[in-house]
Amino acid sequence: DQQVKQNSPSLSVQEGRISILNCDYTNSMFDYFLWYKKYPAEGPTFLISISSIKDKNEDGRFTVFLNKSAKHLSLHIVPSQPGDSAVYFCAASEGRGAQKLVFGQGTRLTINP
Amino acid sequence: NAGVTQTPKFQVLKTGQSMTLQCAQDMNHEYMSWYRQDPGMGLRLIHYSVGAGITDQGEVPNGYNVSRSTTEDFPLRLLSAAPSQTSVYFCASSYIGSLGRTEAFFGQGTRLTVV
Repeated sequence: DQQVKQNSPSLSVQEGRISILNCDYTNSMFDYFLWYKKYPAEGPTFLISISSIKDKNEDGRFTVFLNKSAKHLSLHIVPSQPGDSAVYFCAASEGRGAQKLVFGQGTRLTINP
Repeated sequence: NAGVTQTPKFQVLKTGQSMTLQCAQDMNHEYMSWYRQDPGMGLRLIHYSVGAGITDQGEVPNGYNVSRSTTEDFPLRLLSAAPSQTSVYFCASSYIGSLGRTEAFFGQGTRLTVV
């Protein structure tokens, strides 16, 4: 049973527009959520995170929204840039430490010029 | 800053062979983890450690052993390689920072093929 799901395998967005990546989870014990970006042949790179006590966290062009009642989070990238083209993973953790992350399947984002 | 260093980057094994994937971090992080990534899937946790001398199993531990004798190193051992272990392996280190912020840093991965 997959506890973290990213239902869109791919997303294509025009440069300059908003990219919205979605993630759903089933385990109500998750209390920390992270987004990672991954280029081919590289390890995942941390983008932004959010604690379950918040519903929004911003860092530059990246904003993560958390809806606990719906068990849903989303990553907004504004404006989208060609360098944002990558695979994005949502991950969840019970408690702090991030040593036991549960990942979604990933969404491949393509930014078109 | 080296961060998390994994060796080797690529490896081909024959079925039944054993080997150790090396992982080292220089950030003095308390926590370390091993994940595998298969095509079309997210990363899945193999084993993790919350400190030197303390390890535990993740979601897919069968066929793998770990130990953590120092804070810096967390090797992953394949006991008898099987084709089902063909995958990309990622090591991560993580911490709990100020204001409860937590983040995992990943190595560049080891691409393992078992023939």
